[in-house]
Amino acid sequence: EVQLLESGGGLVQPGGSLRLSCAASGFIFRSYGMSWVRQAPGKGLEWVSSVSGSGGSTFYADSVKGRFTISRDNSKNTLYLQMNSLRAEDTAVYYCAKPVFWPGGFDSWGQGTLVTVSS
Amino acid sequence: EIVMTQSPATLSVSPGERTTLSCRASQSISNKLAWYQQKPGQAPRLLIYGASTRPTGIPARFSGSGSGTDFTLTISSLQSEDFAVYYCQQYNDWPLTFGGGTKVEI
Repeated sequence: EVQLLESGGGLVQPGGSLRLSCAASGFIFRSYGMSWVRQAPGKGLEWVSSVSGSGGSTFYADSVKGRFTISRDNSKNTLYLQMNSLRAEDTAVYYCAKPVFWPGGFDSWGQGTLVTVSS
Repeated sequence: EIVMTQSPATLSVSPGERTTLSCRASQSISNKLAWYQQKPGQAPRLLIYGASTRPTGIPARFSGSGSGTDFTLTISSLQSEDFAVYYCQQYNDWPLTFGGGTKVEI
């Protein structure tokens, strides 16, 4: 059974940093590109970033480009999202997601971790 | 950026009814479209990928169709557990984009 478990969310001041982690199990992690998707309170889904299986290719939404960095450690089956220069509009539940096939529909999601940017 | 537009924003239906949700892409995305269901406090659940393929475990009452720019999700007979928000998503090009969602309510 595929399991994705996010951690690292919390309350941070504007301009601050946070690193999210997503521990994966139940599938061959290195064989799948992975993504982060967020959802602001009461709003819809927004794709944030994706990374290829090897980690060699990364993709970002314009809203986070230059501030967020996606990475992965295939030896630890873990996906990361380093978030710098955080803004109030980054407040959201952040999900990690695994596609059926790259970059495809996401058939597995974590439970989400809440990031709140506020002073 | 490919803009995904879902309609209607809200759909009021009765249990047992057939309902159709629409999703339009601002440019052709071939069949690179997924549909998700999301209930309050839960992560989204994949219903359809490749515009018409159901993952294992998704009930047959959910079906998807379309290609190019116009897509539909049909629920043949609404069950009580189907009242939720539905999102479409294109994965034909970067950035990946979602539609704004359709809320299916009683």
